[in-house]
Amino acid sequence: NAGVTQTPKFQVLKTGQSMTLQCAQDMNHEYMSWYRQDPGMGLRLIHYSVGAGITDQGEVPNGYNVSRSTTEDFPLRLLSAAPSQTSVYFCASTPRVGPSNQPQHFGDGTRLSIL
Amino acid sequence: GQQVMQIPQYQHVQEGEDFTTYCNSSTTLSNIQWYKQRPGGHPVFLIQLVKSGEVKKQKRLTFQFGEAKKNSSLHITATQTTDVGTYFCKTGANNLFFGTGTRLTVIP
Repeated sequence: NAGVTQTPKFQVLKTGQSMTLQCAQDMNHEYMSWYRQDPGMGLRLIHYSVGAGITDQGEVPNGYNVSRSTTEDFPLRLLSAAPSQTSVYFCASTPRVGPSNQPQHFGDGTRLSIL
Repeated sequence: GQQVMQIPQYQHVQEGEDFTTYCNSSTTLSNIQWYKQRPGGHPVFLIQLVKSGEVKKQKRLTFQFGEAKKNSSLHITATQTTDVGTYFCKTGANNLFFGTGTRLTVIP
């Protein structure tokens, strides 16, 4: 059981480049989300999706796009990389959200450096 | 933005000492979750609290949910070096928001 798989694990970009961080889950979870974690900081929500075809913004969405064409995949796109986007990016999934929230399952993270 | 304040931000303890971290909210919470993140790792779910005044234990860890459901605490008895990491609470309308975390260092 792979759980939540993120690729790549490490990436170095130059300012202005674009790239896509991949996230896939094989647990048939409805809810997926992207967080960024800066050194010594907590996790901040970038975007989330409550199901295929539905996405919404989190706390820090600027500079990022997402799509959810399938239940399994939730890619995060950096449109024009900036040094301020240097961070560790975590993808997470959960069966559903609501009053009976389920635990979130996290991927191992993508460590991204923007030069 | 963030709905909870988590304190302290850092805590250094000698091995064998107790440790407590607190999450405080200005609004009533439907539930709260606690996660642990080891250095270099990803957050791992520990527990969820739902009921007012609820207390749950996992070995040396004790989790409490306040009577008013506006605060929660995680207490570790007799810390060990394996307890090192950052402890986060998580809440929000859809359980979206993490607290800022408490980074625990255990000195052998």
